[in-house]
Amino acid sequence: AQSVTQLDSQVPVFEEAPVELRCNYSSSVSVYLFWYVQYPNQGLQLLLKYLSGSTLVESINGFEAEFNKSQTSFHLRKPSVHISDTAEYFCAVSGNTGGFKTIFGAGTRLFVKA
Amino acid sequence: DAMVIQNPRYQVTQFGKPVTLSCSQTLNHNVMYWYQQKSSQAPKLLFHYYDKDFNNEADTPDNFQSRRPNTSFCFLDIRSPGLGDAAMYLCATSRVEGGGEAFFGQGTRLTVV
Repeated sequence: AQSVTQLDSQVPVFEEAPVELRCNYSSSVSVYLFWYVQYPNQGLQLLLKYLSGSTLVESINGFEAEFNKSQTSFHLRKPSVHISDTAEYFCAVSGNTGGFKTIFGAGTRLFVKA
Repeated sequence: DAMVIQNPRYQVTQFGKPVTLSCSQTLNHNVMYWYQQKSSQAPKLLFHYYDKDFNNEADTPDNFQSRRPNTSFCFLDIRSPGLGDAAMYLCATSRVEGGGEAFFGQGTRLTVV
């Protein structure tokens, strides 16, 4: 079985400060890892993904995440946040078990303050 | 643009009155999912289809059913909605070859009165 743990339910941070949202996973098979962002009353949008290859993946809006197999982590980072980054962030895992289900963590609410 | 479309965006139904939510996709993905998301919680998988194969989560109530008549469409039927079923319902698709990256619709906000 697969599971995802997001260690922080809320992360308040000042604008232009760095931020890290933590995610740990467990799985008995090879996994694919994702970060999704959700704005109020919207569906989820893919932020970035790790499928294979380089363990450091980047998004177009300055976020990055690093796949660490030994620590079973996929933490999300951004060196300088903007007010517009305020949203809910979900870490997710999928793999070749049970028909490629995507399982989500509980979410982390990022709140950027001016 | 290829996408996942959910209708309606907002649905109000009466307690106990059957309701159907719909989802369509133009991505030609072989996997379709229905998630339930309550306020400030993670999306909870209800069931998913891998082509025509239906996969029900063990803790999905019998009150929830689904149909996938073809690749493009998937429906969520709630036979007797209760107040506890009020939530955002999210449809998503993925392509097995794509590692499970999920593409989401905008969601349907269900209110039960």
